[in-house]
Formats: sequence, C-alpha cells, structure tokens
Amino acid sequence: EADIYQTPRYLVIGTGKKITLECSQTMGHDKMYWYQQDPGMELHLIHYSYGVNSTEKGDLSSESTVSRIRTEHFPLTLESARPSHTSQYLCASSKLGTGWEIRGYTFGSGTRLTVV
Amino acid sequence: GQQLNQSPQSMFIQEGEDVSMNCTSSSIFNTWLWYKQDPGEGPVLLIALYKAGELTSNGRLTAQFGITRKDSFLNISASIPSDVGIYFCAGHYGTASKLTFGTGTRLQVTL
Repeated sequence: EADIYQTPRYLVIGTGKKITLECSQTMGHDKMYWYQQDPGMELHLIHYSYGVNSTEKGDLSSESTVSRIRTEHFPLTLESARPSHTSQYLCASSKLGTGWEIRGYTFGSGTRLTVV
Repeated sequence: GQQLNQSPQSMFIQEGEDVSMNCTSSSIFNTWLWYKQDPGEGPVLLIALYKAGELTSNGRLTAQFGITRKDSFLNISASIPSDVGIYFCAGHYGTASKLTFGTGTRLQVTL
C-alpha cells in the first residue's frame, strides 16, 4: 500500500512540450525530495523542500522547477522538454526534525519520462 | 561533499548462493541504511543501522555498521530470483538535512 503517489508512471512526450510530474504523499511528511535516475544508475538529488513555500536545488543541476504550495503535494515541472531530460524521476518524503532522516525516506514508484 | 562508494558495481550469481556487498565512505556516518530497488520501482528500506559495530538481520539479509563508522556491509544468504535489483546504501551524519546515497550494486540471479 503506497503512501506516496507519483503520476504518471510512464510519459512519452515530444520535444518542446511543457510537462508536470505529480507527487503526493498522505503521511504528513514535511520534507520531500526529487531524484533523477538513469536506468540502473545512481540516484541524483535535483530538488528538495522542507515544507510549504520552501524549495531548494539539489546536488545535480536540473532545468526543472518545483513548487510546494501544500504539504502533501510537490510537483516537478519542465517548461520545455528535451531528449536529454529522458530519465526516471523519483519522489521521496520524510518527516522534519532531528532524527527523522535516519529512519529513511519513503519513495514513490517513479515516473519514467521519454522525450522524443 | 561526502561520497559513498559501493562494491561490487554489479554481480551475477546463481540461485542459492550467498551475496556480500559493501559501502565505503571517506568520512564517518552515524547512521547507515540499506535500500533495495526493484526494476521499475522506487527504493524500499531494508535495514537501518544506528551504532558502530551493530549487526542487524531482516530475514535472509544481514547488515553491519563498520567499527570505523566509514563502512557498512550487506549480506544476502541463499539468494532467490526475487533478490534481483539494485541495492543502495545511504548514510547520515549529525544534523545533515539529507541522506547521502551510494552508487548502487546491481544484482542478477540466475536459475
């Protein structure tokens, strides 16, 4: 039973299109993250948020943007998709506060994006 | 920044064999976590370790927090086909706001 939901699971879209990847969690977690992962490769943090109206860039530079207007919702947007954006995008969440990171993140199932 | 290197990078083993993989860091961590990612899914937490020297089991999985606090090990006994996937270690230190993930070990199990 998933507590963090990502939609769509798969998306094939043409170059230049604007896309939004959705991520929602029902656990009341304050912190949310977006990771980019090429098939079978490392996880790269591209965005994270500590709570409503808080967003930070991650370790890997990304042309995507994020917003956090509601605690449970953390969408990722690409204004103009390019083939180089083809990848898997994983959303995760955890509670805010000392010690919660060590209990691990809860990940969604991911969105596999293909830009043609 | 902190880096976590996992080895081996990939493994091809036969069903029934035991598996060992490790994760090493250039700096110390206070917590080590092990995740498994099935093909096409997000990572799922397997084991969490909170104390140097700690040995923790979860079914056929056993993980250890290295004494130096710079490494951790994961062992899988009697592997089965559903063990296929990518295994990631992750570390946390002090008041850091994020986990640091390893480079992953890709496991393939043949019948």
